[in-house]
Amino acid sequence: GAVVSQHPSWVICKSGTSVKIECRSLDFQATTMFWYRQFPKQSLMLMATSNEGSKATYEQGVEKDKFLINHASLTLSTLTVTSAHPEDSSFYICSARPGQNTDTQYFGPGTRLTVL
Amino acid sequence: GESVGLHLPTLSVQEGDNSIINCAYSNSASDYFIWYKQESGKGPQFIIDIRSNMDKRQGQRVTVLLNKTVKHLSLQIAATQPGDSAVYFCAENPRSGGYNKLIFGAGTRLAVHP
Repeated sequence: GAVVSQHPSWVICKSGTSVKIECRSLDFQATTMFWYRQFPKQSLMLMATSNEGSKATYEQGVEKDKFLINHASLTLSTLTVTSAHPEDSSFYICSARPGQNTDTQYFGPGTRLTVL
Repeated sequence: GESVGLHLPTLSVQEGDNSIINCAYSNSASDYFIWYKQESGKGPQFIIDIRSNMDKRQGQRVTVLLNKTVKHLSLQIAATQPGDSAVYFCAENPRSGGYNKLIFGAGTRLAVHP
């Protein structure tokens, strides 16, 4: 149980295009999902907290108009990288929390984004 | 021994030895800590967690020690195996602003040699 999936697992796009990444909790409902970005040989940096049915909360320095987050259901959150540029190339990882009264987060396998 | 790589420090150990990975956390208000293992190209995998009302917790082949006085966390892996080779991250929940978010440490690469 407690499986989180991401789609796609990798994507290559041209500079200036937008890319959508999906995060799904497969066997539990997640009121809160989190989006992280990880550059090579670095740690995970939290980008935003996504709450079902409300606006996402972005970390300082993360542009909300560039990284659009939608959490329309209890099992799906999407991250759209708008007008992607090569510096947006990174490993994007989501996690899902099964309820409000738990610290547990289950992580997805990550999505490798390469912007040419 | 330990060495500092481009971004990640590396701990090299012989197969069968015990490994100790250290982490300094930043927020004295943090009350929940987790260790994750991340293999190349994959998401983090939960290893063990500990709350601030404890100073030690044991799992299968792993032990986490928490020293709140100096804000230090360690992960001990007994009888290290080649499959333990990965990057290990500690994470803390700083409880700031009421959000249950995790802040990750810099990470340590564990290299196990046969």
